[in-house]
Amino acid sequence: QSALTQPRSVSGSPGQSVTISCTGTSSDVGAYNYVSWYQQHPGEAPKLMIFDVNKRPSGVPDRFSGSKSGNTASLTISGLQAEDEADYYCCSYTDTYTDVIFGGGTHLTVL
Amino acid sequence: QVQLVESGGGVVQPGTSLRLSCAASGFSFSSHGMNWVRQAPGKGLEWVALIWYHGNKGEYADSVKGRFTISRDNSKNTLYLQMNSLRAEDTAVYYCSRINGYRDDYWGQGTPVIVSS
Repeated sequence: QSALTQPRSVSGSPGQSVTISCTGTSSDVGAYNYVSWYQQHPGEAPKLMIFDVNKRPSGVPDRFSGSKSGNTASLTISGLQAEDEADYYCCSYTDTYTDVIFGGGTHLTVL
Repeated sequence: QVQLVESGGGVVQPGTSLRLSCAASGFSFSSHGMNWVRQAPGKGLEWVALIWYHGNKGEYADSVKGRFTISRDNSKNTLYLQMNSLRAEDTAVYYCSRINGYRDDYWGQGTPVIVSS
């Protein structure tokens, strides 16, 4: 399967909002509400930020939110802070319930 | 607290084998499926393999199917990835992660594998 499609990079100034898109197909993103988002700082392991499209794990600021429309999921980060600068990956389980597919990753730059 | 610690990575020649381990602690290991995910240098995340909590069967990405085997020993709280016929394109940091529902809520710090002659 091909990776989910994400923009290679996005940027925003502190305090602004940015949205990262993640486009898949009717066999993955569009099939079920099992999209998750991961943040990864350089040299570190990925960290879960959003799961099941729009749920936040405890400890993740409510500045992070997720949504989905059709085959495209989105991660919105409001009130940008310097520490939000990182790579972000979307992920979806597929309609086989066994395969996992990631997006290519988006680098967020906080200007 | 939940901890996942990978080990077993290293530098190997093409065509050889390597076994990675992931020691789990701080949760009921036998109640969770587990993933291996890898990241090639400068690249994105790539799912490699999945094993459900009972360990009866693994699922694999097409890129490793037939060469890699995922397994677990619930009595030792340890996840494994046996990698055979290694190729240069298998060079990556390998992470283990805990499956919770349909997300990976905890990740290890990763172990690097370099396949080079």
